[in-house]
Amino acid sequence: SAVISQKPSRDICQRGTSLTIQCQVDSQVTMMFWYRQQPGQSLTLIATANQGSEATYESGFVIDKFPISRPNLTFSTLTVSNMSPEDSSIYLCSVAGPRGEKLFFGSGTQLSVL
Amino acid sequence: AQSVTQLDSQVPVFEEAPVELRCNYSSSVSVYLFWYVQYPNQGLQLLLKYLSGSTLVKGINGFEAEFNKSQTSFHLRKPSVHISDTAEYFCAVRYISNFGNEKLTFGTGTRLTIIP
Repeated sequence: SAVISQKPSRDICQRGTSLTIQCQVDSQVTMMFWYRQQPGQSLTLIATANQGSEATYESGFVIDKFPISRPNLTFSTLTVSNMSPEDSSIYLCSVAGPRGEKLFFGSGTQLSVL
Repeated sequence: AQSVTQLDSQVPVFEEAPVELRCNYSSSVSVYLFWYVQYPNQGLQLLLKYLSGSTLVKGINGFEAEFNKSQTSFHLRKPSVHISDTAEYFCAVRYISNFGNEKLTFGTGTRLTIIP
């Protein structure tokens, strides 16, 4: 199994600022996913981040708003840029197991934008 | 600390047989409950969710789940499974706090294997 450390666990931010969320995995993984869950909603995939290539963004999400870095096989960051109250969500990092059949989850980041 | 327990890591079931995947969570005043499915090499897909109202929730692909507050459970059921249901299933709970501190917690997953 993979152990994922995600930080910060929680933050309260001002409108117009940016926040970078970090995801550290204790083993090398190829596929990393970034999700968000807005209040009362299900998880929504923001993007898939594979090491050595540009992140693939889902419909409705763009790189300028959610830039992602994937410098190596154990680490990734997601930045929420120019935040507005609508960005208030839980953001979650997850990774796929070696055969792509199992997901492991970080502890999530609860973001509140004032 | 809040937790979500999926007691069965693997469940083999014959095709067209019924299945129940168990999920229990630690007690809290308010929770939202979700079941997700992961097919090989794909991300999560929402099966169903419980936010409020009727405790029996129907989702996609013939799945349903029942919220039982007294037993703090949210078991997933399907009366007749198909080969295409082979996947990993995750129970997730969003704990709602009056103090603004919310947390999304996943179970460790149950691998459902359908036997022809």
